[in-house]
Amino acid sequence: DAKTTQPTSMDCAEGRAANLPCNHSTISGNEYVYWYRQIHSQGPQYIIHGLKNNETNEMASLIITEDRKSSTLILPHATLRDTAVYYCIAPNQAGTALIFGKGTTLSVSS
Amino acid sequence: DTGVSQNPRHKITKRGQNVTFRCDPISEHNRLYWYRQTLGQGPEFLTYFQNEAQLEKSRLLSDRFSAERPKGSFSTLEIQRTEQGDSAMYLCASTRWGLAGSETQYFGPGTRLLVL
Repeated sequence: DAKTTQPTSMDCAEGRAANLPCNHSTISGNEYVYWYRQIHSQGPQYIIHGLKNNETNEMASLIITEDRKSSTLILPHATLRDTAVYYCIAPNQAGTALIFGKGTTLSVSS
Repeated sequence: DTGVSQNPRHKITKRGQNVTFRCDPISEHNRLYWYRQTLGQGPEFLTYFQNEAQLEKSRLLSDRFSAERPKGSFSTLEIQRTEQGDSAMYLCASTRWGLAGSETQYFGPGTRLLVL
């Protein structure tokens, strides 16, 4: 069962920051939180992951609350090509497979 | 780094036929995963290999499904006696497990199966 909950959908204007929230109150202290996105009919694309500290890469920033119960993925300047389903993911109990929920459908419009 | 590749990208078959999909992971990635994704749902884990050993299978992997990774490189997923409910996108992912910290899985483009 998915350990994360996300809003079903979000809208964002092109050029603005997209902030995608995720609740993961049941993950354990050594479990990473991963973010992937999936553009229609393609395989999931890795975005970023984190454990405790905030993380940033060329695609996005990940802000994790101090209690690790939630996180926010930030796309600083959304473009139309960022329209996709975004998944916040935790691993299964064995730490092997990724458990996907239904994700958040982000729609970026001009 | 050429990424994970999967073949074929699309497969249409008739109910009752057998189908086989192939996945080539990123070079030197020792773990390989298979997932299935149906319309409107997120990917669901099926099974994974570490090198040539199949270490875990999901309840979703019925007896009609078999996966192999004979030399610890590419992998095949075979579905025997296909059913219409097998229609889905079959995704492969790989990672280099064993590095300190997390293991990021990198996905291929998937094979879309339609069973008529």
